[in-house]
Amino acid sequence: AQTVTQSQPEMSVQEAETVTLSCTYDTSESDYYLFWYKQPPSRQMILVIRQEAYKQQNATENRFSVNFQKAAKSFSLKISDSQLGDAAMYFCAYTGGSQGNLIFGKGTKLSVKP
Amino acid sequence: KAGVTQTPRYLIKTRGQQVTLSCSPISGHRSVSWYQQTPGQGLQFLFEYFSETQRNKGNFPGRFSGRQFSNSRSEMNVSTLELGDSALYLCASSLAIGTSGQYIQYFGAGTRLSVL
Repeated sequence: AQTVTQSQPEMSVQEAETVTLSCTYDTSESDYYLFWYKQPPSRQMILVIRQEAYKQQNATENRFSVNFQKAAKSFSLKISDSQLGDAAMYFCAYTGGSQGNLIFGKGTKLSVKP
Repeated sequence: KAGVTQTPRYLIKTRGQQVTLSCSPISGHRSVSWYQQTPGQGLQFLFEYFSETQRNKGNFPGRFSGRQFSNSRSEMNVSTLELGDSALYLCASSLAIGTSGQYIQYFGAGTRLSVL
C-alpha cells in the first residue's frame, strides 16, 4: 500500500528566510504524481505545486520549489523569502497507478515569525 | 471559473440523525471526491464519483454514502450519526492529468460537521 510520511509536525521560520518541509512516500508504482497542498487557518485547501514522477526536473512555482529524489522516495518543499501569509498546514499528497484519490501525509504546521 | 462550492459550511447534528452535504464542482470537471479530515486521523478518502458512478471507495462504513448527478454536483450522506463523525468534510473537483487515471484535485472550503 502507498504511504506518505511527513516527519515534522511543526516548523517555524523567520519572515524572509527559507524553510524546507520534508516528505517521504512509498509506492511500487512507476507512474505517479506528488503534490503539496496548503491549508491556511481559514481551511480552504490550496494546491501549491505538483511533480510528475517521470520528470527529473524539479517543479518550481514562484517562491515554492521541490526537491524530488525519486530513488530515495523523497519530496521536500522549499519556501523561499517566507511571508506571513505562508503560515498554514502543509500537506504532502500522492496519487498513482489507476487510483484517482489522494493519499495525504499528516501535515506540517508552518509558523512564520515577523 | 468559479471554484468548488460546498454547502452548508457548518452543521450541528445530534447522534442518530442523518445529514446530507452538497458539493458543486468546477465547471467542466466530471470527477468529484470526498475526504474526511479529523485531528486524529488526518485526511482520509471517502469516495470518488465520475459521471454519476462511484469509481473508488475508501475504508468507511456503509453509513457513509454518496451520489453524483448529471450536472456533476455531488452529495454525501451520513446516516445514524456518531460522535466520531464530527469532522471537516472536504469535496474535491478533479481534472485529469497523465494517462493512467490520475487527477489534480481542487478543494472546496469544506463543511464542518459537529455531532453532539
